[in-house]
Amino acid sequence: DSGVTQTPKHLITATGQRVTLRCSPRSGDLSVYWYQQSLDQGLQFLIQYYNGEERAKGNILERFSAQQFPDLHSELNLSSLELGDSALYFCASSPPNGVSSPLHFGNGTRLTVT
Amino acid sequence: GENVEQHPSTLSVQEGDSAVIKCTYSDSASNYFPWYKQELGKGPQLIIDIRSNVGEKKDQRIAVTLNKTAKHFSLHITETQPEDSAVYFCAARVPDGLTFGKGTHLIIQP
Repeated sequence: DSGVTQTPKHLITATGQRVTLRCSPRSGDLSVYWYQQSLDQGLQFLIQYYNGEERAKGNILERFSAQQFPDLHSELNLSSLELGDSALYFCASSPPNGVSSPLHFGNGTRLTVT
Repeated sequence: GENVEQHPSTLSVQEGDSAVIKCTYSDSASNYFPWYKQELGKGPQLIIDIRSNVGEKKDQRIAVTLNKTAKHFSLHITETQPEDSAVYFCAARVPDGLTFGKGTHLIIQP
């Protein structure tokens, strides 16, 4: 168990809808990262937060947004969903000790858009 | 940005044999290289990592080597067992997180 908790595990919704994915990082970790994993694209970095502030952006669509709350949990909001947004969404966290610290992943949320 | 290439995409070995997965990276500033194992229905799990001031690291049946000059690193699994079957990802640490290779599906044949 990595200590990173993601909810829900599965989500099925229709095109055009909006969903929220939730992540609780490991105790003591200040950084939260969101990744998207689809069959043909591997693990794609979406966005990083550090202690409540956005730190870096990757290949995140404008329809997607995220935030990190004072208690350090994070939410990823996906709106105007399209069929191509169906994927696994992973959250990871890392401790606040520099760029050589590992990321620890949750078990993901499987999103299916129909 | 960083680019990580991983080979092979699929690797099938006999149980008990060794498996080697290779990765190359592009950004010479990268200084931390973890390997993750992902089983079906689970998130990537860190199995071993290496920092740029070290050339080799071993943990029981798993070892990782790093050649900074050539910008490549490899995962070695010896005496493979059925539970080693999974997808393995290499990664390079960049300031905003990790850049991953596309993964290797390791199949252990009985």
